[in-house]
Amino acid sequence: SQQGEEDPQALSIQEGENATMNCSYKTSINNLQWYRQNSGRGLVHLILIRSNEREKHSGRLRVTLDTSKKSSSLLITASRAADTASYFCATDKAGTALIFGKGTTLSVSS
Amino acid sequence: NAGVTQTPKFRVLKTGQSMTLLCAQDMNHEYMYWYRQDPGMGLRLIHYSVGEGTTAKGEVPDGYNVSRLKKQNFLLGLESAAPSQTSVYFCASRQTLNSGANVLTFGAGSRLTVL
Repeated sequence: SQQGEEDPQALSIQEGENATMNCSYKTSINNLQWYRQNSGRGLVHLILIRSNEREKHSGRLRVTLDTSKKSSSLLITASRAADTASYFCATDKAGTALIFGKGTTLSVSS
Repeated sequence: NAGVTQTPKFRVLKTGQSMTLLCAQDMNHEYMYWYRQDPGMGLRLIHYSVGEGTTAKGEVPDGYNVSRLKKQNFLLGLESAAPSQTSVYFCASRQTLNSGANVLTFGAGSRLTVL
């Protein structure tokens, strides 16, 4: 079964606005990762946050992790039309495979 | 650097037919994976391999077989296709960062329709 669950399932915003999506997971993890999938393409790794980190930044991306609540959030600031994609969280328990959530579909209109 | 390449990109099968999806990576990664993606279901792990000559079952292995005869290739086979196997299939290979964390590189996907 899926380890991560993203919320909301779909999000529509205007260019320039911030987009926030959340991920909840069930068991302890070593790290949590976010991936982006453009329509008709494979997933691309965006950012990773380790279990002992609380916040991480990469360009316009900001990820937070709350291990006590087993949740993470991905914030995309000043969204652009090119950010339109599906976003997936994936958890790594130091096992053999990442476990992916069902994704949030982000639509950014100009 | 091609990364992860999947062939074919599209395929239509009739129920009961067999086929093989090929995944090739040129990054010398040990671990490789096959996922399927269905609407509303996210990605589910079918099979994976931790190195040449090894394979293991994932979350949804039934109806599929895999082989890893060469390190760079990971094959996914459907012996007798069923409509429930209509899906988009993604192959991925795993890179271990200096920190010890593992990240995946995905292929572009193979869209399979079973009639």
